[in-house]
Formats: sequence, structure tokens, C-alpha cells
Amino acid sequence: SQKIEQNSEALNIQEGKTATLTCNYTNYSPAYLQWYRQDPGRGPVFLLLIRENEKEKRKERLKVTFDTTLKQSLFHITASQPADSATYLCALVNSGYALNFGKGTSLLVTP
Amino acid sequence: EPEVTQTPSHQVTQMGQEVILRCVPISNHLYFYWYRQILGQKVEFLVSFYNNEISEKSEIFDDQFSVERPDGSNFTLKIRSTKLEDSAMYFCASMGGSYNSPLHFGNGTRLTVT
Repeated sequence: SQKIEQNSEALNIQEGKTATLTCNYTNYSPAYLQWYRQDPGRGPVFLLLIRENEKEKRKERLKVTFDTTLKQSLFHITASQPADSATYLCALVNSGYALNFGKGTSLLVTP
Repeated sequence: EPEVTQTPSHQVTQMGQEVILRCVPISNHLYFYWYRQILGQKVEFLVSFYNNEISEKSEIFDDQFSVERPDGSNFTLKIRSTKLEDSAMYFCASMGGSYNSPLHFGNGTRLTVT
């Protein structure tokens, strides 16, 4: 069956450091992968999309890598701030075009 | 910036009752979705809707569920006879353009079945 796995444990880092979140997947052949942010009690908010032929994508302090051989994406937040504290979701399209989400990794950035 | 709006924000209902959750997607979007999130669990796909018909549905979306786009602006999710396990946050989402565009989510309706 198709699986999207993200670090289940919360990630606690100090302000100013780089946060790195991992997404691993099985039984997908994705043309692209997406990352979303979710705050408590709110809907997911789109952050970045990376295509299979792109090794890396950047947007301001965010960087995503995509390794289709390892079946893994890494999501980096540089110079992290307390406002970056949230749950970050990895998402892939299944064979029928529905977007499936991982459970997410909770990030806490402390001053 | 246009956004997806959902009403009500919180709905409490008794087991066995019917509920209708309402969504107004972004106006020029063509693809519409419902997801649910049980407390502490992942966001789960329920159904996608395109060109006035269901394009895909998950195993969760059984005969108790139905969707409708009654008037060209609203998009509704009906649960005919609610069960305790239907208690969750329900998110509506819409997408414009091609199928690999990002989804835009509303802030959800928290459904509590007692």
C-alpha cells in the first residue's frame, strides 16, 4: 500500500538554527511533491511544490530537496523563528490524482 | 487574496442526525475536495469533485456521505446518519488550473457527534 512517512516525534530547535524535516514514501511514483504548513485548528497552507526533475527548490528561508531514487524529500527552514512553529505536512498525489498527506512533523522553535 | 470559506466553524449533532457542511471555494477554481482530520491524526482525503461529478473517492466516503454543488458557488458535504466516529475536523479545498496546482484549504468545520 502507499505510505507517506514523516518524523512522528516533534522537532524542537533554537531560534536562528536550521530545521530539517524528512518525508519518505513508498509505492508512489510521484511527478511532484508538495509541502504544507498547518497551524492548530486551521487548514493546511501550501508552501512549496517540487517536480521530479528538480533536485532542489527554494523560497525565501525554505528549501526542499527531492530524491526519487531514495524516495525522500527534505524540507529545510533556515534562520528559524518562533513564528515558524507549526506542523509541516508532506503530500503526494496517488494513482487517481487525489492528494494524500503524511501525518506531519511538529516543529517548535524556541527563542 | 481569495480564500475558501467554510460554515459553520463548529457543528454539534446527535448520533443518527443528518448534517450538511458548507463551503464556498475560490470562484475561478474547477476542482473541489473534502478532507477530514480526526484529532491527532493525519489529514485524510474523502472525495474530489470536478465538472459536477465525483472524480475520486476514498474508502471512508461510503453511502452515508454525499457531495453537491447546488448553485455554482457552494460546495456541500452531507452526512446522512452521523456516527460517533464521524467526529472530526472537515476541510474543504479547491484547486484551479492543472491537476498539479496546489490546494487551497478552508479553516474547517469541527463536527462533534454526541
